[in-house]
Amino acid sequence: LAKTTQPISMDSYEGQEVNITCSHNNIATNDYITWYQQFPSQGPRFIIQGYKTKVTNEVASLFIPADRKSSTLSLPRVSLSDTAVYYCLVGMNSGGYQKVTFGIGTKLQVIP
Amino acid sequence: SAVISQKPSRDICQRGTSLTIQCQVDSQVTMMFWYRQQPGQSLTLIATANQGSEATYESGFVIDKFPISRPNLTFSTLTVSNMSPEDSSIYLCSVESAVPPYEQYFGPGTRLTVT
Repeated sequence: LAKTTQPISMDSYEGQEVNITCSHNNIATNDYITWYQQFPSQGPRFIIQGYKTKVTNEVASLFIPADRKSSTLSLPRVSLSDTAVYYCLVGMNSGGYQKVTFGIGTKLQVIP
Repeated sequence: SAVISQKPSRDICQRGTSLTIQCQVDSQVTMMFWYRQQPGQSLTLIATANQGSEATYESGFVIDKFPISRPNLTFSTLTVSNMSPEDSSIYLCSVESAVPPYEQYFGPGTRLTVT
């Protein structure tokens, strides 16, 4: 499993766009990049997944450069409710059984 | 998506005792996963529970300490045995989606405090 590196914490004001970058230099050809969000006292929740270029859903966008050695989770116009820990994971997306390894995560604090 | 419930939501236990945590899923799933999250830390996979076979434990976790049952496709239990204060953590179960992107759905967790 590719190791991931992301900032331990970030602060942002409400209404701003937040970009959290994750480094995964050893990503394998078959690996996908997945982001989870965890609120206090809750289990993690899937946000978005991508393989290359850009993926967008109703919650976030994920930007992946051509070399795929990093990825950036973009949260548009954050609100206080976006305060959470965000985890970047890299692994195969084969279904059936996917061992998921969580790193330290990035603790995002949204400030009024 | 899958809806997962866990019981108990929290408990305070004395050292040397055991606690069994239940995990119920609203649909049939092949694999169920058990994680531990110590205060302020990330999640660590304890074991994978496949219905009808022995659970597969990750390095650092053993069956005698964390016995797991998987009696059917919607239910699993994790027992924390002979507890010590170091076992104080949040224990979470999860399942994997059967369709792409094969994301994991997590239960709300069980907050265990050992005194």
